[in-house]
Amino acid sequence: AQSVSQHNHHVILSEAASLELGCNYSYGGTVNLFWYVQYPGQHLQLLLKYFSGDPLVKGIKGFEAEFIKSKFSFNLRKPSVQWSDTAEYFCAVSGAGSYQLTFGKGTKLSVIP
Amino acid sequence: KAGVTQTPRYLIKTRGQQVTLSCSPISGHRSVSWYQQTPGQGLQFLFEYFSETQRNKGNFPGRFSGRQFSNSRSEMNVSTLELGDSALYLCAIPNADSRGGYTFGSGTRLTVV
Repeated sequence: AQSVSQHNHHVILSEAASLELGCNYSYGGTVNLFWYVQYPGQHLQLLLKYFSGDPLVKGIKGFEAEFIKSKFSFNLRKPSVQWSDTAEYFCAVSGAGSYQLTFGKGTKLSVIP
Repeated sequence: KAGVTQTPRYLIKTRGQQVTLSCSPISGHRSVSWYQQTPGQGLQFLFEYFSETQRNKGNFPGRFSGRQFSNSRSEMNVSTLELGDSALYLCAIPNADSRGGYTFGSGTRLTVV
């Protein structure tokens, strides 16, 4: 069975600090990987996704993620966070050719001005 | 125009009652999936419908059911509501690039009292 683990439940950063959110997955096959963001009171939005090719994926709003196959990881990064990045971030995985997602429990990010 | 419209946005029901939630994807999408989001369990897959047929089902009791109509609109029904059914219920359609992942609706916030 697939599973996704997000290491941090709640991360608090000051503006301009760098961000890295950890995500590890367990799946016995080719995977598609995603990061979603949920801003307070808003719906889930896709930040970025990895299907194949370059393991460094760039998404919206300056976010990027690196797929490290040997570590089963897909960590999310941003060099300098802003107050507007305050949100909950979800890592998710699907098997190749499948749309069904398995989500991590999420990491709440609070950015202090 | 939003990819997925869910109604109602908020709902309060009493334990033991049943509830029906609605999801309308933009035209042309034959696949609709439902997820439950709770603070404790995170996002969990409920079921997927494709061309009016249930294609996949998550690990939820039989009280949770759904259906899809010929115009792609989908409903999910929860019977004999329990307090633990309080959650945000999300409807999703596959991303346009057809390679995995979803576009999510804003959800229906169900509170069971």
